[in-house]
Amino acid sequence: DSGVTQTPKHLITATGQRVTLRCSPRSGDLSVYWYQQSLDQGLQFLIHYYNGEERAKGNILERFSAQQFPDLHSELNLSSLELGDSALYFCASSRDREVGLALHFGNGTRLTVT
Amino acid sequence: EDQVTQSPEALRLQEGESSSLNCSYTVSGLRGLFWYRQDPGKGPEFLFTLYSAGEEKEKERLKATLTKKESFLHITAPKPEDSATYLCAVRGNNNDMRFGAGTRLTVKP
Repeated sequence: DSGVTQTPKHLITATGQRVTLRCSPRSGDLSVYWYQQSLDQGLQFLIHYYNGEERAKGNILERFSAQQFPDLHSELNLSSLELGDSALYFCASSRDREVGLALHFGNGTRLTVT
Repeated sequence: EDQVTQSPEALRLQEGESSSLNCSYTVSGLRGLFWYRQDPGKGPEFLFTLYSAGEEKEKERLKATLTKKESFLHITAPKPEDSATYLCAVRGNNNDMRFGAGTRLTVKP
């Protein structure tokens, strides 16, 4: 068990809808990362937060947004959903901001858009 | 732009048949090279971090090595429970962790 908790495990919704994915990092970790994994794309970095501040953006669509709250949990909001947004969404956490430490992943939220 | 290429895409081994997985990378200022194991429907599980060329790490039947351009994950006498996808990732100066597409390993009894 990595100590990173993601909810819900599964989410099925229709095109055009909006969903929120939640992540609780490991105790003591200040950094939260979001990744998208689809069959043909591998793990794609979306966004990184450190102690409530956005630190880096990757391939995140404008329809997607995220935030990290004072208690360090994070939420990823996906809106105007399209069929192509169906994927596994992973959250990972780490203690670092700039140092190259490993990320520890949750078991993901499987999003299915119908 | 940082890049990670893993080969082969898939590898089938007989139990006990040792082999190696390759990870080639280009990165601006290596801050770490990472190996993960991912089982179907689960999140990647951290295995090793390597920071500089010549470094080696071992864990049970797995050994990771690093050069300036690539890393190898050596699997000695694998067992069926070693079947998984193995992911390589790098962190460079931009501190993002960039992943390769993975090698899907199947070990047959």
